[in-house]
Amino acid sequence: DTEVTQTPKHLVMGMTNKKSLKCEQHMGHRAMYWYKQKAKKPPELMFVYSYEKLSINESVPSRFSPECPNSSLLNLHLHALQPEDSALYLCASSHPIAGGNTGELFFGEGSRLTVL
Amino acid sequence: AQSVTQLGSHVSVSEGALVLLRCNYSSSVPPYLFWYVQYPNQGLQLLLKYTTGATLVKGINGFEAEFKKSETSFHLTKPSAHMSDAAEYFCAVSARIIQGAQKLVFGQGTRLTINP
Repeated sequence: DTEVTQTPKHLVMGMTNKKSLKCEQHMGHRAMYWYKQKAKKPPELMFVYSYEKLSINESVPSRFSPECPNSSLLNLHLHALQPEDSALYLCASSHPIAGGNTGELFFGEGSRLTVL
Repeated sequence: AQSVTQLGSHVSVSEGALVLLRCNYSSSVPPYLFWYVQYPNQGLQLLLKYTTGATLVKGINGFEAEFKKSETSFHLTKPSAHMSDAAEYFCAVSARIIQGAQKLVFGQGTRLTINP
Protein backbone atom coordinates (compact mmCIF):
# COMPACT_ATOMS: atom_id res chain seq x y z
CA ASP A 1 0.00 0.00 0.00
CA THR A 2 1.71 3.17 -1.19
CA GLU A 3 -1.23 5.52 -0.95
CA VAL A 4 -2.01 8.64 0.94
CA THR A 5 -5.78 9.03 1.09
CA GLN A 6 -7.42 12.43 1.49
CA THR A 7 -11.08 13.19 2.17
CA PRO A 8 -13.13 14.94 1.04
CA LYS A 9 -11.92 15.49 -2.53
CA HIS A 10 -13.99 18.65 -2.81
CA LEU A 11 -15.30 20.97 -0.11
CA VAL A 12 -17.32 24.16 -0.35
CA MET A 13 -17.76 26.16 2.83
CA GLY A 14 -18.91 29.54 3.98
CA MET A 15 -16.72 31.89 5.97
CA THR A 16 -18.53 31.04 9.22
CA ASN A 17 -18.41 27.27 8.82
CA LYS A 18 -16.23 24.79 10.65
CA LYS A 19 -14.98 21.86 8.60
CA SER A 20 -12.10 19.38 8.60
CA LEU A 21 -9.85 17.80 6.01
CA LYS A 22 -8.62 14.29 6.68
CA CYS A 23 -5.54 12.39 5.58
CA GLU A 24 -4.60 8.75 6.14
CA GLN A 25 -1.58 6.62 5.29
CA HIS A 26 -0.66 3.03 6.12
CA MET A 27 2.95 2.99 4.95
CA GLY A 28 4.37 3.26 8.46
CA HIS A 29 5.57 6.79 7.79
CA ARG A 30 6.26 8.87 10.90
CA ALA A 31 6.31 12.29 9.23
CA MET A 32 3.17 13.88 7.81
CA TYR A 33 2.71 17.20 6.05
CA TRP A 34 0.09 19.70 4.96
CA TYR A 35 0.74 21.77 1.84
CA LYS A 36 -1.39 24.47 0.22
CA GLN A 37 -1.35 24.88 -3.55
CA LYS A 38 -2.91 27.79 -5.41
CA ALA A 39 -3.63 27.51 -9.11
CA LYS A 40 -0.54 27.48 -11.33
CA LYS A 41 1.75 27.70 -8.30
CA PRO A 42 4.00 25.22 -6.49
CA PRO A 43 2.89 23.68 -3.19
CA GLU A 44 3.64 25.73 -0.09
CA LEU A 45 4.40 24.01 3.18
CA MET A 46 1.99 24.70 6.04
CA PHE A 47 2.68 22.16 8.79
CA VAL A 48 4.90 19.18 9.51
CA TYR A 49 4.33 16.50 12.11
CA SER A 50 7.15 14.20 13.07
CA TYR A 51 6.43 11.28 15.40
CA GLU A 52 2.98 12.78 16.02
CA LYS A 53 4.45 16.06 17.26
CA LEU A 54 4.16 19.36 15.43
CA SER A 55 7.69 20.18 14.28
CA ILE A 56 7.16 22.90 11.68
CA ASN A 57 4.47 25.59 11.49
CA GLU A 58 5.17 27.95 8.63
CA SER A 59 3.45 30.91 10.32
CA VAL A 60 0.04 29.69 9.23
CA PRO A 61 -2.97 31.72 10.45
CA SER A 62 -4.77 30.24 13.43
CA ARG A 63 -7.93 29.67 11.40
CA PHE A 64 -6.07 26.55 10.23
CA SER A 65 -5.57 24.05 13.06
CA PRO A 66 -3.69 20.78 12.45
CA GLU A 67 -4.10 17.63 14.47
CA CYS A 68 -2.28 14.32 14.39
CA PRO A 69 -4.34 11.79 16.42
CA ASN A 70 -1.98 8.90 15.65
CA SER A 71 0.83 7.96 13.30
CA SER A 72 -1.56 7.14 10.44
CA LEU A 73 -3.92 10.10 10.58
CA LEU A 74 -3.59 13.81 10.00
CA ASN A 75 -6.41 16.33 10.16
CA LEU A 76 -6.68 19.97 9.23
CA HIS A 77 -9.46 21.83 11.04
CA LEU A 78 -10.82 24.88 9.27
CA HIS A 79 -12.70 27.74 10.89
CA ALA A 80 -13.59 31.26 9.77
CA LEU A 81 -11.76 30.95 6.49
CA GLN A 82 -11.47 33.68 3.90
CA PRO A 83 -12.14 33.39 0.15
CA GLU A 84 -8.39 33.71 -0.48
CA ASP A 85 -7.94 30.42 1.39
CA SER A 86 -9.54 28.62 -1.54
CA ALA A 87 -6.90 26.23 -2.86
CA LEU A 88 -5.88 22.60 -3.24
CA TYR A 89 -4.74 21.22 0.11
CA LEU A 90 -2.25 18.40 -0.20
CA CYS A 91 -1.28 15.91 2.45
CA ALA A 92 2.01 14.03 2.27
CA SER A 93 3.92 11.53 4.35
CA SER A 94 7.48 10.22 4.53
CA HIS A 95 9.78 7.96 6.42
CA PRO A 96 12.10 9.89 8.71
CA ILE A 97 15.51 10.58 7.17
CA ALA A 98 17.73 8.09 8.95
CA GLY A 99 19.36 4.73 8.47
CA GLY A 100 19.43 4.93 4.70
CA ASN A 101 15.93 6.33 4.31
CA THR A 102 16.01 9.40 2.12
CA GLY A 103 12.66 10.70 3.25
CA GLU A 104 10.94 11.35 -0.07
CA LEU A 105 7.40 12.59 0.27
CA PHE A 106 4.38 10.66 -0.93
CA PHE A 107 1.43 12.92 -1.74
CA GLY A 108 -2.29 12.39 -1.67
CA GLU A 109 -4.54 13.64 -4.47
CA GLY A 110 -5.60 16.65 -2.48
CA SER A 111 -8.76 18.26 -1.18
CA ARG A 112 -10.00 21.15 -3.31
CA LEU A 113 -11.42 23.78 -1.00
CA THR A 114 -13.67 26.63 -2.07
CA VAL A 115 -14.55 29.32 0.47
CA LEU A 116 -17.58 31.43 -0.39
CA ALA B 1 19.17 29.07 2.08
CA GLN B 2 18.17 26.40 -0.38
CA SER B 3 16.30 27.39 -3.52
CA VAL B 4 15.31 26.02 -6.90
CA THR B 5 14.96 27.73 -10.26
CA GLN B 6 13.15 26.05 -13.12
CA LEU B 7 13.97 27.63 -16.46
CA GLY B 8 10.88 27.89 -18.61
CA SER B 9 7.39 27.94 -17.16
CA HIS B 10 6.09 26.26 -20.29
CA VAL B 11 7.81 23.76 -22.59
CA SER B 12 6.20 22.37 -25.72
CA VAL B 13 7.58 19.42 -27.71
CA SER B 14 6.33 17.14 -30.43
CA GLU B 15 5.39 13.55 -29.68
CA GLY B 16 8.53 11.42 -30.04
CA ALA B 17 10.89 14.35 -29.49
CA LEU B 18 13.39 14.79 -26.68
CA VAL B 19 12.05 16.29 -23.46
CA LEU B 20 14.41 18.54 -21.49
CA LEU B 21 13.20 20.36 -18.38
CA ARG B 22 15.79 22.51 -16.65
CA CYS B 23 16.37 22.86 -12.93
CA ASN B 24 19.11 24.73 -11.11
CA TYR B 25 19.45 24.67 -7.35
CA SER B 26 21.18 26.55 -4.61
CA SER B 27 22.18 24.70 -1.48
CA SER B 28 24.72 25.27 1.25
CA VAL B 29 24.94 21.54 1.98
CA PRO B 30 24.99 18.45 -0.25
CA PRO B 31 21.45 18.47 -1.56
CA TYR B 32 18.68 15.96 -1.81
CA LEU B 33 16.97 16.71 -5.14
CA PHE B 34 13.63 15.52 -6.47
CA TRP B 35 11.45 15.74 -9.55
CA TYR B 36 7.70 15.45 -9.09
CA VAL B 37 4.95 15.34 -11.73
CA GLN B 38 1.42 16.63 -11.25
CA TYR B 39 -1.37 15.68 -13.63
CA PRO B 40 -4.49 17.89 -13.74
CA ASN B 41 -6.57 17.74 -10.57
CA GLN B 42 -4.21 15.28 -8.93
CA GLY B 43 -1.51 15.26 -6.29
CA LEU B 44 2.23 15.10 -6.87
CA GLN B 45 3.93 11.87 -7.89
CA LEU B 46 7.65 11.28 -7.39
CA LEU B 47 9.46 10.77 -10.70
CA LEU B 48 12.99 10.38 -9.36
CA LYS B 49 15.41 11.53 -6.69
CA TYR B 50 19.09 12.20 -6.14
CA THR B 51 20.55 11.77 -2.68
CA THR B 52 24.08 10.40 -2.94
CA GLY B 53 26.05 8.12 -5.24
CA ALA B 54 25.45 7.81 -8.97
CA THR B 55 24.82 11.18 -10.55
CA LEU B 56 22.64 9.82 -13.37
CA VAL B 57 19.33 8.88 -11.84
CA LYS B 58 16.63 6.89 -13.60
CA GLY B 59 13.01 7.29 -12.68
CA ILE B 60 9.58 6.15 -13.69
CA ASN B 61 7.98 6.51 -17.12
CA GLY B 62 11.35 6.64 -18.91
CA PHE B 63 12.56 9.85 -17.27
CA GLU B 64 16.07 10.41 -16.00
CA ALA B 65 18.05 13.28 -14.51
CA GLU B 66 21.71 14.06 -14.05
CA PHE B 67 23.11 15.75 -10.98
CA LYS B 68 25.90 18.14 -11.95
CA LYS B 69 27.47 19.69 -8.90
CA SER B 70 29.75 22.01 -10.87
CA GLU B 71 26.74 23.47 -12.68
CA THR B 72 24.35 23.20 -9.69
CA SER B 73 21.88 21.59 -12.08
CA PHE B 74 19.49 18.65 -12.05
CA HIS B 75 17.86 18.66 -15.48
CA LEU B 76 15.12 16.16 -16.33
CA THR B 77 15.16 14.36 -19.67
CA LYS B 78 13.21 11.78 -21.63
CA PRO B 79 14.40 10.58 -25.04
CA SER B 80 10.97 10.33 -26.64
CA ALA B 81 7.91 12.25 -25.48
CA HIS B 82 4.54 10.60 -25.22
CA MET B 83 1.17 12.30 -25.15
CA SER B 84 0.64 11.01 -21.60
CA ASP B 85 3.67 13.04 -20.42
CA ALA B 86 1.66 16.26 -20.61
CA ALA B 87 1.61 17.57 -17.04
CA GLU B 88 3.18 20.03 -14.60
CA TYR B 89 6.68 19.15 -13.42
CA PHE B 90 8.24 20.40 -10.21
CA CYS B 91 11.88 20.27 -9.19
CA ALA B 92 12.47 20.35 -5.43
CA VAL B 93 15.38 20.54 -3.01
CA SER B 94 15.39 19.44 0.60
CA ALA B 95 15.84 22.64 2.59
CA ARG B 96 15.60 21.67 6.20
CA ILE B 97 15.41 18.54 8.28
CA ILE B 98 13.80 18.47 11.73
CA GLN B 99 13.38 15.23 13.65
CA GLY B 100 13.66 13.27 10.42
CA ALA B 101 11.02 15.22 8.54
CA GLN B 102 12.12 17.37 5.65
CA LYS B 103 10.96 20.65 4.25
CA LEU B 104 11.00 20.65 0.46
CA VAL B 105 11.45 23.87 -1.48
CA PHE B 106 9.81 23.62 -4.89
CA GLY B 107 10.59 25.41 -8.09
CA GLN B 108 7.83 27.35 -9.83
CA GLY B 109 7.01 24.41 -12.07
CA THR B 110 7.19 23.75 -15.79
CA ARG B 111 4.10 22.88 -17.77
CA LEU B 112 4.93 20.32 -20.46
CA THR B 113 2.71 20.23 -23.54
CA ILE B 114 3.04 17.46 -26.13
CA ASN B 115 2.03 18.23 -29.71
CA PRO B 116 0.72 15.36 -31.86
